[in-house]
Amino acid sequence: DAKTTQPNSMESNEEEPVHLPCNHSTISGTDYIHWYRQLPSQGPEYVIHGLTSNVNNRMASLAIAEDRKSSTLILHRATLRDAAVYYCILRSHPYNTDKLIFGTGTRLQVFP
Amino acid sequence: NAGVTQTPKFRVLKTGQSMTLLCAQDMNHEYMYWYRQDPGMGLRLIHYSVGEGTTAKGEVPDGYNVSRLKKQNFLLGLESAAPSQTSVYFCASSRSASGTGQTYGYTFGSGTRLTVV
Repeated sequence: DAKTTQPNSMESNEEEPVHLPCNHSTISGTDYIHWYRQLPSQGPEYVIHGLTSNVNNRMASLAIAEDRKSSTLILHRATLRDAAVYYCILRSHPYNTDKLIFGTGTRLQVFP
Repeated sequence: NAGVTQTPKFRVLKTGQSMTLLCAQDMNHEYMYWYRQDPGMGLRLIHYSVGEGTTAKGEVPDGYNVSRLKKQNFLLGLESAAPSQTSVYFCASSRSASGTGQTYGYTFGSGTRLTVV
């Protein structure tokens, strides 16, 4: 399985933008880039995913490098509720071998 | 729409006892997964299923068994619990891939906190 590399922790102030980086230099052409977050004492929550083009949804934006070897999750205005561990994961096709493998993620702290 | 429901939410077992964790989803998802999460660590995949009647091993399958007799349910069994199995267990489900290979996000349950003494 292709691996991802993320910083262990990041900090932000409330209402500021946050850019969470992820490196995936061994990504294959069929790998989708998924992001999840886990709030304290809760199960992981799906945030966003993409293949090649940048993606936006109500929670965040995903910027994917042209060579797909890195990506950035963008929280446009951080809130205290965004304090969580963020996981960047590659999900491959074909699905008969599908499994989502989590790394250790980035712990985001948000200060008032 | 309940999503993914895990029962029980908490359980304390004695070493050697057995138990079954139940995961139920009401989204008609093909794929289901069991993960464990130890303190301060990421999630590790135990077993998963890509359809009714099929299961496969994940990263840490030893000491666990699973069954997927019905599409909506995925059961995780511990035949003889050990203190090393003290953990928080998460179940997840997902739609199957589209014909173009489009992937979908996972939906997770709220977890079962298991302590083996």
